[in-house]
Amino acid sequence: NAGVTQTPKFQVLKTGQSMTLQCAQDMNHEYMSWYRQDPGMGLRLIHYSVGAGITDQGEVPNGYNVSRSTTEDFPLRLLSAAPSQTSVYFCASSSRSREKLFFGSGTQLSVL
Amino acid sequence: AQSVTQLGSHVSVSEGALVLLRCNYSSSVPPYLFWYVQYPNQGLQLLLKYTTGATLVKGINGFEAEFKKSETSFHLTKPSAHMSDAAEYFCAVTKQGAQKLVFGQGTRLTINP
Repeated sequence: NAGVTQTPKFQVLKTGQSMTLQCAQDMNHEYMSWYRQDPGMGLRLIHYSVGAGITDQGEVPNGYNVSRSTTEDFPLRLLSAAPSQTSVYFCASSSRSREKLFFGSGTQLSVL
Repeated sequence: AQSVTQLGSHVSVSEGALVLLRCNYSSSVPPYLFWYVQYPNQGLQLLLKYTTGATLVKGINGFEAEFKKSETSFHLTKPSAHMSDAAEYFCAVTKQGAQKLVFGQGTRLTINP
């Protein structure tokens, strides 16, 4: 099992550009989520999904879109990148019990 | 709403010394509590969790934590620090059936030789 796979590992964007961060899991998990990690602020939930076709907003959803067309994939789209979106992004998944989150290795994004 | 406060953004201990990382939570319902560890340039991995039952829970790498309802605390301890314990540690809270896990700000643990 690969677990949770995120791509790319690093990305540099210019202000206003759009891009998609990819996330895939091979554990047949219902629940998937995106977090951003900023120094001194811990991890903050951006969006999450409890199953294919179902998504909802987290704590900091503005500027980001998600979709969940399959159980395996949960891409995160930045519509028009801003410097405030410079961060490390983590995708995580879990089974229905939610008792353990499995994290990807992260994407380091810089917006200039 | 649930919340977590980790006391101390940076803790430094000597190799072989006791490790104590503090976590206090706020929850109006019985909480589920977690400690995650993040090694440099990696994602987070679960260290231990409390859901129900025994209030002293043991995790990987010799760590343990005790749920104290009266103190709304879930402090993480290890009797003897090892150099490999250097990492960032996150406390998190949720509740049964909830969709969201709320993380604390993190505590960076440094081990001095």
